[in-house]
Amino acid sequence: DSGVTQTPKHLITATGQRVTLRCSPRSGDLSVYWYQQSLDQGLQFLIQYYNGEERAKGNILERFSAQQFPDLHSELNLSSLELGDSALYFCASSQGTGDPKNIQYFGAGTRLSVL
Amino acid sequence: GESVGLHLPTLSVQEGDNSIINCAYSNSASDYFIWYKQESGKGPQFIIDIRSNMDKRQGQRVTVLLNKTVKHLSLQIAATQPGDSAVYFCAERPGGYNKLIFGAGTRLAVHP
Repeated sequence: DSGVTQTPKHLITATGQRVTLRCSPRSGDLSVYWYQQSLDQGLQFLIQYYNGEERAKGNILERFSAQQFPDLHSELNLSSLELGDSALYFCASSQGTGDPKNIQYFGAGTRLSVL
Repeated sequence: GESVGLHLPTLSVQEGDNSIINCAYSNSASDYFIWYKQESGKGPQFIIDIRSNMDKRQGQRVTVLLNKTVKHLSLQIAATQPGDSAVYFCAERPGGYNKLIFGAGTRLAVHP
């Protein structure tokens, strides 16, 4: 168990809908990262938050947004969902940011199926 | 459990043999590299890491080798066990950035 908690484990929804994925980082970790894993794209970095502020942005669509709350949990919001958004979404956390020794520990993921 | 990367390259080894999983990375400015293991239905699990100023690092039953000249990374697993069966990903950290760039992954299948 990595200590990173993601809910829900599975999510089934329809095209055009909006969903929210939730992540609780490991105790003491200030950084949260979101990744998307699909069969054809592999693991892709979406966005990072550090202590409530956005720190790095990757291949995140404009339909997607995230935030980190004062208690350090994070939410990833996906809207106007398309079939191609079906994927595994992982959250990772690390103690800090900047230093490469801040190892990222991953949660078990949320599997999103858009029908 | 879920299948990740149905068309990943597969390395098949006999239990007890040594395994070598290779990875080519893309960014010569990357300063840090990590190997993750992903079992079916689980998230990536940290195995071992190495900074760009090193060329070898050893852990328990695992060794990572880094060749910056050809931008190549390898993971060696000694005395491979059935529990090592998983998909293995290398990841690089482009210098100055916090994100990780993951390779496509290699499926390791360990046969008794």
